Amino acid sequence: ETGVTQSPTHLIKTRGQQVTLRCSSQSGHNTVSWYQQALGQGPQFIFQYYREEENGRGNFPPRFSGLQFPNYSSELNVNALELDDSALYLCASSLRGVKSYEQYFGPGTRLTVT
Amino acid sequence: DAKTTQPPSMDCAEGRAANLPCNHSTISGNEYVYWYRQIHSQGPQYIIHGLKNNETNEMASLIITEDRKSSTLILPHATLRDTAVYYCIVRAAGSNYQLIWGAGTKLIIKP
Repeated sequence: ETGVTQSPTHLIKTRGQQVTLRCSSQSGHNTVSWYQQALGQGPQFIFQYYREEENGRGNFPPRFSGLQFPNYSSELNVNALELDDSALYLCASSLRGVKSYEQYFGPGTRLTVT
Repeated sequence: DAKTTQPPSMDCAEGRAANLPCNHSTISGNEYVYWYRQIHSQGPQYIIHGLKNNETNEMASLIITEDRKSSTLILPHATLRDTAVYYCIVRAAGSNYQLIWGAGTKLIIKP
């Protein structure tokens, strides 16, 4: 069973730039959720994708967008980067249904905006 | 979703039971209690969840009070590798599976 992987592991961008983060789901999982985690805080829900459509969104502006592909992998795109976007971005996959509560997280992408 | 309150930090001696409390006084009847942990530099890891009854798995036990306003996660024989931030989350089972996270409890296991 392949776990959740994310790329890149670290990234440095300049304010105003755009970034794309990638996530490969655990084998057999059909749902992907993205979280932002600032230093010393718990993760904050950005959005979730199921069957290639957004299925729930947290309190994040439209410049945070995503995609889910037929193989259930996913991308998180952030436009017009701001300094406050510096954080650890976590992707979690799950299987919709009986065990949908059990989310499997990747190691995260550390984004630094300067 | 109901809010949870956890102590910011706790210590426990290696080999002893670690008991992590969580208050969720506004929990409603259809809300479950979930526990996750996050070891430094890793993504969070699911531990256990429950609704009313006490639950046990290979990682931990979850004790929920009869009025469901609080719960305790028990790691029966803590090891150094259990040092992590532990999150207690309350959420209803429904179509939107987002989890609302607090700041958690930083558990430090001491040799």
